[in-house]
Amino acid sequence: NAGVTQTPKFQVLKTGQSMTLQCAQDMNHEYMSWYRQDPGMGLRLIHYSVGAGITDQGEVPNGYNVSRSTTEDFPLRLLSAAPSQTSVYFCASSSRPGTSGRDTQYFGPGTRLTVL
Amino acid sequence: DAKTTQPPSMDCAEGRAANLPCNHSTISGNEYVYWYRQIHSQGPQYIIHGLKNNETNEMASLIITEDRKSSTLILPHATLRDTAVYYCIVRSNTNAGKSTFGDGTTLTVKP
Repeated sequence: NAGVTQTPKFQVLKTGQSMTLQCAQDMNHEYMSWYRQDPGMGLRLIHYSVGAGITDQGEVPNGYNVSRSTTEDFPLRLLSAAPSQTSVYFCASSSRPGTSGRDTQYFGPGTRLTVL
Repeated sequence: DAKTTQPPSMDCAEGRAANLPCNHSTISGNEYVYWYRQIHSQGPQYIIHGLKNNETNEMASLIITEDRKSSTLILPHATLRDTAVYYCIVRSNTNAGKSTFGDGTTLTVKP
């Protein structure tokens, strides 16, 4: 299994540009989430999904859209990039707690985004 | 959803046990306690989790109080490579997708 993969690893945008951060998992996990991590801070939840076709907002959803058309993929779209969105973005997936011996969240390697 | 509270930073001498506390006073009966750590800017990595019993694996031990309002992660023999940010979170079947992490505890292991 490749686990959770994220592309691109690095990205530089200009203010106002849009882009999509890709996230895919091959573990057949129901749950997927997007987090952002600003320098010296913890992870903040942007959006999450509990299954294909179902998404919901997290702590900091403004400026981001998500969709979940398949179990495997959970892309994050920046509609109009702003310097305040400069951050490291992590995608995570998991099975339902209690369904297996190690039903934890698995994290991707992150996408480092800079908005100028 | 239950939130967690952790001290912002802790130090530990190399070779000694590191005991990292976490308060989760509003935890509900179906919520598990999970611990992760994040080294440098990598994605967080799972360490251990539990519901109400103490747990041990090859990395650490987890002690959950009887009332489940707090827990302690124990790294029995800390090494320099254990220097990282440690996160305690709570998750259940109903909120698994929206786990929030907070700022965690920065553990510094010193020679």
